[in-house]
Amino acid sequence: AQSVTQLDSQVPVFEEAPVELRCNYSSSVSVYLFWYVQYPNQGLQLLLKYLSGSTLVKGINGFEAEFNKSQTSFHLRKPSVHISDTAEYFCAVRFPYSGGGADGLTFGKGTHLIIQP
Amino acid sequence: EAQVTQNPRYLITVTGKKLTVTCSQNMNHEYMSWYRQDPGLGLRQIYYSMNVEVTDKGDVPEGYKVSRKEKRNFPLILESPSPNQTSLYFCASRTGGGTEAFFGQGTRLTVV
Repeated sequence: AQSVTQLDSQVPVFEEAPVELRCNYSSSVSVYLFWYVQYPNQGLQLLLKYLSGSTLVKGINGFEAEFNKSQTSFHLRKPSVHISDTAEYFCAVRFPYSGGGADGLTFGKGTHLIIQP
Repeated sequence: EAQVTQNPRYLITVTGKKLTVTCSQNMNHEYMSWYRQDPGLGLRQIYYSMNVEVTDKGDVPEGYKVSRKEKRNFPLILESPSPNQTSLYFCASRTGGGTEAFFGQGTRLTVV
């Protein structure tokens, strides 16, 4: 069974500093990888996704993530954070379409990014 | 505007009183899902549907029902809610061949 581990439940960072949110997954087959962001009292918004190809993926709001197959990781990074980046961040995986069976996203438990002025 | 709409956004109810949370999408997506979000647990899938009249259990289906009579709607039914179903619920949809899921704004349910 696939699983997703977000190693930090909370990450405090000073404004304009770089940040990395860590995500590791376990799966015996190739998966699709996603990062979603949840701002307070809102739904989930896709930041970026990895399907195949280049291992460095760029997303919205200046975020990027790197897929590392050997380490089964998909860490999220931003070189300089802003107060507006304060939110909950979720890493998720999904099997490529298999024509049947469970077809949902498996989420990590989330990382709360706290930006300090 | 492409969106997934859930209603209501907030709901407080009493144990055992049947309730329905509605979900509607305007993107003609085949796949729809329900998730619940609990502190420290992330999001867990309750039920999903691959098309009209095709539904299946996710990871935490106990105490919930769903139906998919029309492509755009996927209501979540709690026939006899209990306090352990107090949670934040999200509906999501995506295309059959696509991969990105679009989420609704969430429904915060409290069962007392």
